[in-house]
Amino acid sequence: DAGVTQSPTHLIKTRGQQVTLRCSPKSGHDTVSWYQQALGQGPQFIFQYYEEEERQRGNFPDRFSGHQFPNYSSELNVNALLLGDSALYLCASSLGTRGTGELFFGEGSRLTVL
Amino acid sequence: AQTVTQSQPEMSVQEAETVTLSCTYDTSENNYYLFWYKQPPSRQMILVIRQEAYKQQNATENRFSVNFQKAAKSFSLKISDSQLGDTAMYFCAFMRTHSGAGSYQLTFGKGTKLSVIP
Repeated sequence: DAGVTQSPTHLIKTRGQQVTLRCSPKSGHDTVSWYQQALGQGPQFIFQYYEEEERQRGNFPDRFSGHQFPNYSSELNVNALLLGDSALYLCASSLGTRGTGELFFGEGSRLTVL
Repeated sequence: AQTVTQSQPEMSVQEAETVTLSCTYDTSENNYYLFWYKQPPSRQMILVIRQEAYKQQNATENRFSVNFQKAAKSFSLKISDSQLGDTAMYFCAFMRTHSGAGSYQLTFGKGTKLSVIP
């Protein structure tokens, strides 16, 4: 049973560029959440997707957008990259309304903005 | 809004000894979940233990147990018989109990770096 998988694992971009990160949820899960973890900090919630719609959003600007596909996989897009966007981006999956409150995390995508 | 505070940025413990990590939180909710997650250098967040706020009994998972004090909004993690593999960042996290789609939003503390010394 594959867990949550994320790609790419590492990437380097320059200011002003755009980036797309990808996530495949754990088998059987239908909800995907994205978190940003700056160095030395706890993860911060970006947004959550269920049934291909954004259901909740944290305090992040519109430069951060996402998408969920019919197979429940998800993408996180960040436009007009800033130096401060450098972070580990974590994807987590869960069961939308039938779970036990437990999220399963991937190993993350490390983004460096130069 | 919920907040989670971990007041110990770093801790160390001798192998086979016991260590307690502290966590306090602030919320106006009555029903919620509390979690401890472990993040080793491999970066993947791994669930250590979970507590449902309506349950008075403290959760235990093998060598890991919690001391949940709802009135004090305190949720500490005790690791017994510490092992070298326990070396990691530990994050305390809060989740509202919310029915319907789109729930499961976690609020994390800043973490405690635990080092287990041989």
